[in-house]
Amino acid sequence: EIVMTQSPATLSVSPGERATLSCRASQGVFGNLAWYQQKPGQAPRLLIYATSTRATGIPARFSGSGYGTEFTLTISSLQSEDFAVYYCQQYHDWPPLTFGGGTKVEIK
Amino acid sequence: QGQLVESGGGVVQPGGSLRLSCAASRFTFRSYGMHWVRQAPGKGLEWVAFIRDDGSEIFYTDSVKGRFTISRDNSKNTLSLQMSSLRPEDTAIYYCGTSYGSSRYFIDWGRGTRVTVSS
Repeated sequence: EIVMTQSPATLSVSPGERATLSCRASQGVFGNLAWYQQKPGQAPRLLIYATSTRATGIPARFSGSGYGTEFTLTISSLQSEDFAVYYCQQYHDWPPLTFGGGTKVEIK
Repeated sequence: QGQLVESGGGVVQPGGSLRLSCAASRFTFRSYGMHWVRQAPGKGLEWVAFIRDDGSEIFYTDSVKGRFTISRDNSKNTLSLQMSSLRPEDTAIYYCGTSYGSSRYFIDWGRGTRVTVSS
């Protein structure tokens, strides 16, 4: 099973600032990585797939990068609606499909 | 964008059974792989099960093998999860989700249905 590790667990950022979230895989997943956003009481929403491709309707301030075992989600200028929990997920080697533990982005 | 609506959650005693359903609309259900993903209270996301678009391939996470059964009815645009021998650790919100082709990321998600296993 591929273990996904996200850091930091919590990120405190001021509105308008840049946020950088990290995701590490226990073994290489090539580019088969997705990111999701989840707000309290809501279902997750797909943000990015294939490491860097934004899903339909996702603003350009969200970008993804990386390859192999190290991945990054960057939010270039945080808006109020971006404060949420973010999860990464690998879909290279499965079953099982595995998620990281999440990074909570909170208002500083 | 597809719409998914889960139902069937509730409170059940340990060892009991429950059947979850997911009604799909606004997309061609028979063309998409379908998944169940769960989230225990205050915890992260855990993939539970997958069924291929035509039902020919099914996978489960180890902790539910032999207890849960995923199925689909493409004529009714419905996904199901039959859960038996339920344990307290199965307590979670259960989401259904879609994937397409050979890429197993989750494109659309339902709002979830809550399952509580408690005596």
